[in-house]
Amino acid sequence: QVQLVQSGAEVKKPGASVKVSCKTSGYIFTGYSIHWVRQAPGQGLEYMGWIDPKDGRTDSTQKFQGRVALTRDTSINTAYMELSTLKSDDTAVYYCAGDLFRTTCGDSWGQGTLVTVSS
Amino acid sequence: QSALTQPPSASGSPGQSVTISCTGTSSDIGRYNYVSWYQQHPGRVPKLIIYEVNKRPSGVPDRFSGSKSGNTASLTVSGLRAEDEADYYCSSYLGSNWVFGGGTKLTVL
Repeated sequence: QVQLVQSGAEVKKPGASVKVSCKTSGYIFTGYSIHWVRQAPGQGLEYMGWIDPKDGRTDSTQKFQGRVALTRDTSINTAYMELSTLKSDDTAVYYCAGDLFRTTCGDSWGQGTLVTVSS
Repeated sequence: QSALTQPPSASGSPGQSVTISCTGTSSDIGRYNYVSWYQQHPGRVPKLIIYEVNKRPSGVPDRFSGSKSGNTASLTVSGLRAEDEADYYCSSYLGSNWVFGGGTKLTVL
């Protein structure tokens, strides 16, 4: 079955970077985009960007451009999201989501990774 | 890109129907039929319940239905059940990225 398994919780200081991994299984990794979404405590879902694992093409929303790097390693069917220059309001659960329907921002989701930014 | 507009809350009694709206613009909902709805229970991962405006993934009850008119999409939950109490989010394609609504907390009275 389709699975997306994310790396564990992280605690970072302001100004640092964090890299979250998303290991996929159960489908052809290079066939479908992966999206990244975050959710601050008690808040709604916020879309960050996507990567096409086939060719590495990416796009991110204006809010995150210049601060987020979306990459992948096709040899291990894993996508990565690295967010730099962290601030306290980057504290959130970060989700990866596979778009196997090809028309959503995620139909199969990872379990989420809590990133806490605190001095 | 501004978030899509959803009412912060909605409610209904068991067995009743409730409709949640999601208002965008001619650049998102009005332009593309790539509107999705997600259900999220507290502490849980969001779950896709509607995609492409009105399609249901396998396993989603037909009590959930979606529609769109102009720049506004809607999610209707019929025959409300206690387990439908959750947060609901709409999302729309923008042409290169996606955007979510602010979310609606559905309470089953």
